[in-house]
Amino acid sequence: DVKVTQSSRYLVKRTGEKVFLECVQDMDHENMFWYRQDPGLGLRLIYFSYDVKMKEKGDIPEGYSVSREKKERFSLILESASTNQTSMYLCASSLKRGAKNIQYFGAGTRLSVL
Amino acid sequence: GESVGLHLPTLSVQEGDNSIINCAYSNSASDYFIWYKQESGKGPQFIIDIRSNMDKRQGQRVTVLLNKTVKHLSLQIAATQPGDSAVYFCAEGKGFQKLVFGTGTRLLVSP
Repeated sequence: DVKVTQSSRYLVKRTGEKVFLECVQDMDHENMFWYRQDPGLGLRLIYFSYDVKMKEKGDIPEGYSVSREKKERFSLILESASTNQTSMYLCASSLKRGAKNIQYFGAGTRLSVL
Repeated sequence: GESVGLHLPTLSVQEGDNSIINCAYSNSASDYFIWYKQESGKGPQFIIDIRSNMDKRQGQRVTVLLNKTVKHLSLQIAATQPGDSAVYFCAEGKGFQKLVFGTGTRLLVSP
């Protein structure tokens, strides 16, 4: 089974702090994604990566950056956390080979910015 | 558009009934569709997918029906169990373009 592991289930941070959310997958997937999920808005893509050291902006990249130094690890960085970044953050991965982008998700990190 | 959490359409069924969850998709050029299940406090879990050249696909207790004429997708769950209670949402994809996630439906199963 695919396993996508997010380092924290719950995080509480202060406004202005730099926040790191870590995600690791164990299935040798090339693609990795970061989403946020908010009531009434569903899943919104922040950033994704097709390969090591590669990154692409999603629909809502402002206020975020990412790092992909190793194939299995994709980090989401909030440079200066703000209260409107309080949300559920979901990491996903998928294979590059094949014709379908079936994404497998981690359990999520619920971030509260105070 | 997508919606998870507040103001979700809700389907309430009795344990043992069959459930049908619907999804309207937007892109007639999408070439596959995916159903996800998301339990409270957890990440979305892949259930089943179907290619656009198929009308029906069956899994364990689940069946996906695809009607391309009206751009409609449904997920049928046989003999629904309390453990099936969750939010279900569909996603459409074309090759390796980013997935587009559909409106979620909350399924409530009463014992």
